[in-house]
Amino acid sequence: EVVLTQSPATMSLSAGEGATLSCRASQSISSYLNWYQQKPGQAPRLLIYDASTRATGIPAKFSGSGSGTDFTLTISSLEPEDFAVYYCQQRIHWPPTFGGGAKVEIK
Amino acid sequence: EVQLLESGGGLVQPGGSLRLSCAGSGFIFPSHGVHWVRQAPGKGLEWVSGISGNGDSTYYADSVKGRFTISRDTAKNTVFLQLSSLRAEDAALYYCARDPTATVIAATHFDFWGLGTLVTVSS
Repeated sequence: EVVLTQSPATMSLSAGEGATLSCRASQSISSYLNWYQQKPGQAPRLLIYDASTRATGIPAKFSGSGSGTDFTLTISSLEPEDFAVYYCQQRIHWPPTFGGGAKVEIK
Repeated sequence: EVQLLESGGGLVQPGGSLRLSCAGSGFIFPSHGVHWVRQAPGKGLEWVSGISGNGDSTYYADSVKGRFTISRDTAKNTVFLQLSSLRAEDAALYYCARDPTATVIAATHFDFWGLGTLVTVSS
């Protein structure tokens, strides 16, 4: 199965700063990489699919890029509601797999 | 508004069984596959199983194959996950998630999620 490795595991940032999260796949997944946000006590929410397409209702401060094995989620100007755990996920190779998660916490 | 509502979780002894339900509303149920994804306490997400929109195709993670069974009742807009021979490592919050397609096997994403139902396995 495809292993997705997220880095860093935790980022400590201040509101107003930007965040760059990385996801690396163990083999090429083309552009079939998705990103989810999960806040404490809540279900995951789809942010980005197919590497760079924002899901419905997701603000432009979230952007995704990458292809092949290296992907990035960028969050510009963090607001209090953006501090959460972010997961990458692929489904082009069966079974679907998720990265281990990256926590963006308040500094 | 698309909604998914899980139920059926609870405390069960090792080796026991449980049936989880996922009721969908706000969308054309047969047009979408449905998946179960679980999250052990303090851990990440693990895909468990998926079923196509018409119920003809089902898929399982190796960790649950032969022990879990997914099914759906289109008349009730509900997907079920029968958990059997439960182990301590099956304890988790089980989410159901909608597939944007009917096929489940497509290289796509999970577009809507329920709030989850908690399964605890302990003697």
